[in-house]
Amino acid sequence: DQQVKQNSPSLSVQEGRISILNCDYTNSMFDYFLWYKKYPAEGPTFLISISSIKDKNEDGRFTVFLNKSAKHLSLHIVPSQPGDSAVYFCAAPNAGKSTFGDGTTLTVKP
Amino acid sequence: GAGVSQSPRYKVAKRGQDVALRCDPISGHVSLFWYQQALGQGPEFLTYFQNEAQLDKSGLPSDRFFAERPEGSVSTLKIQRTQQEDSAVYLCASSFSPTAGPYGYTFGSGTRLTVV
Repeated sequence: DQQVKQNSPSLSVQEGRISILNCDYTNSMFDYFLWYKKYPAEGPTFLISISSIKDKNEDGRFTVFLNKSAKHLSLHIVPSQPGDSAVYFCAAPNAGKSTFGDGTTLTVKP
Repeated sequence: GAGVSQSPRYKVAKRGQDVALRCDPISGHVSLFWYQQALGQGPEFLTYFQNEAQLDKSGLPSDRFFAERPEGSVSTLKIQRTQQEDSAVYLCASSFSPTAGPYGYTFGSGTRLTVV
C-alpha cells in the first residue's frame, strides 16, 4: 500500500509559465508534508514543507497547497525556470522515517 | 563536514559478494537514515539511528542487511551475499532533529550498487 502517490511521472512546461506538481496521500495522521528536488547523480534536496494544520506555505517562487479533505497536496512553481528541471518528490515523515512518492520529472523548456 | 558524504560513489559487486557502504553525516546531526532507491522509484526507508542507537530497522529487506553507527557519527550499511535485486542507489541522510519533521533531511549523493 503506497501511502504517498505521485500519479504523473513527468511534466513539461515552458519557461516563465507555472508548474504544478501533484501528490496524493492516504494516511490522515501525517503531521507534515515535504517536497524534495533531485538532480541527476545527486541526492534529494529539501525544498519546502507544510504543516497538516495549514493549507498553504509560500517560499519565493515555490508554494505548496494542502487540501486535507481530498488528501491532496500540490507544489506550484511560478515562474518556472530551466534550472528547475529536476525530479520532484513529495514525502511525509512519520515516527522517524519518511514515506516518499515515486517522483515527477519536471522539464522546463527555454 | 559541509555535507553528507557517502563512499564509494559506485560499487560493482559479483553476486554473493559482501559489500560495505559508508556514510559520514553532517557534524552534530543526531539522526541518520538509510534509504534504498530503485530505478524510477522514490527512496524507500531502510533504517534509522539516533546517535548510536538504531531505533528502527523495519525497512531492512532481509537479514543480509545490517547497519551500524557505533560512535554516533559515521555509519556503515553492510550487505552480505549480494543478490541482483540489491542493485539500487543507497542514500544516507542526516538531520539535527530527532525525527526530521518539517525541516527535511540532508541527503548524501548516494552509492550506486550494481550486482552482476
